[in-house]
Amino acid sequence: AQTIHQWPVAEIKAVGSPLSLGCTIKGKSSPNLYWYWQATGGTLQQLFYSITVGQVESVVQLNLSASRPKDDQFILSTEKLLLSHSGFYLCAWSLARGNTEVFFGKGTRLTVV
Amino acid sequence: GEQVEQRPPHLSVREGDSAFITCTYTDPNSYYFFWYKQEPGASLQLLMKVFSSTEINEGQGFTVLLNKKDTRLSLNLTAAHPGDSAAYFCAVSAGNMGYKLTFGTGTSLLVDP
Repeated sequence: AQTIHQWPVAEIKAVGSPLSLGCTIKGKSSPNLYWYWQATGGTLQQLFYSITVGQVESVVQLNLSASRPKDDQFILSTEKLLLSHSGFYLCAWSLARGNTEVFFGKGTRLTVV
Repeated sequence: GEQVEQRPPHLSVREGDSAFITCTYTDPNSYYFFWYKQEPGASLQLLMKVFSSTEINEGQGFTVLLNKKDTRLSLNLTAAHPGDSAAYFCAVSAGNMGYKLTFGTGTSLLVDP
């Protein structure tokens, strides 16, 4: 069975500090990987997707970056957090052929103060 | 790009009543449609995936209707119960952009016992 693990579960960070969020998918080879962001009470916005190791496509610009250093790992980061970065970050995966259902991790709740 | 409008943003029904949520999308080439449920503080749970070729899909306690002519996707929770209280999101994937999933703005459903 596939499992998706996100870390950390929650973070409180200061404006201007760096951030690194991680995601690992086990039990599925070469999945498509995604990062989504959800403002409190809001909808989900796709930030990045990756179809293979080392290749990441940006969907929206939010002063964030993403990397896929391994087939099963997806990292979201920034060097300087903004207040607007607060929210719920969800990592997700789908089968490699695309146009299939997307399965979500449990998310990381980020509060920037 | 694809835009998805979801109505209503908030819905309150009594236990046993129906709850009806609608999404209107803009890209007529959209091919895959999804409904997700998000309980407070939790991640997203896939309720149903709908292909563009099927107009009516039934799940456990709910029905999904797809009207391609009107570019409208609907979720009808029949005989709602308190456990159905959650946020519901539709999501749409265009046929040639399998990696881009556009979410609706969400509906917060409250089922009163």
